[in-house]
Amino acid sequence: DADVTQTPRNRITKTGKRIMLECSQTKGHDRMYWYRQDPGLGLQLIYYSFDVKDINKGEISDGYSVSRQAQAKFSLSLESAIPNQTALYFCATSDPDGGYTFGSGTRLTVV
Amino acid sequence: SQQGEEDPQALSIQEGENATMNCSYKTSINNLQWYRQNSGRGLVHLILIRSNEREKHSGRLRVTLDTSKKSSSLLITASRAADTASYFCATDARANQAGTALIFGKGTTLSVSS
Repeated sequence: DADVTQTPRNRITKTGKRIMLECSQTKGHDRMYWYRQDPGLGLQLIYYSFDVKDINKGEISDGYSVSRQAQAKFSLSLESAIPNQTALYFCATSDPDGGYTFGSGTRLTVV
Repeated sequence: SQQGEEDPQALSIQEGENATMNCSYKTSINNLQWYRQNSGRGLVHLILIRSNEREKHSGRLRVTLDTSKKSSSLLITASRAADTASYFCATDARANQAGTALIFGKGTTLSVSS
């Protein structure tokens, strides 16, 4: 099993729908992150969490919410999806020394 | 806004040549990392260099870090067609008042032709 697992891998949804992207990690790390990547750009930070009780907004949190259900699980929700949220989404976890492990990504298309 | 800026945005070279990509950043960092991404899919971690280090090597990769100039470079020697990908620098730095996170640049697209 992968250290960081994202589900689903691909998703097509309609404008206005609520959608949840899930992430789980087996690294045992406290820190988890959600990023978004638009074509031709680097990753942008949406939300991050340093432990189960800690949630922090990143650069582009508008239109998104997160839930840290357990140390190993960090979910990203789009409450009402819009087409410009079409992107590749990555979840990551990091160790205290700054080493990051990324999931394989979820390709989301909003039509 | 994104922390890092890679230069050049695109680079085309022949197999066997060396490829150099540069990254500049704006704030103090804990470490700087380079990643590779093929065809807009998963990220491959290449190398991590800490703020107190000046140079690191890994196989055909050489990374330098100049914290006084807030810049880093990635050198790929003897490039191969398989090195064709997008390369990103990312700084482990303060994201906002809450704490630190990995902040990415926009990347350099490398094309290696045979």
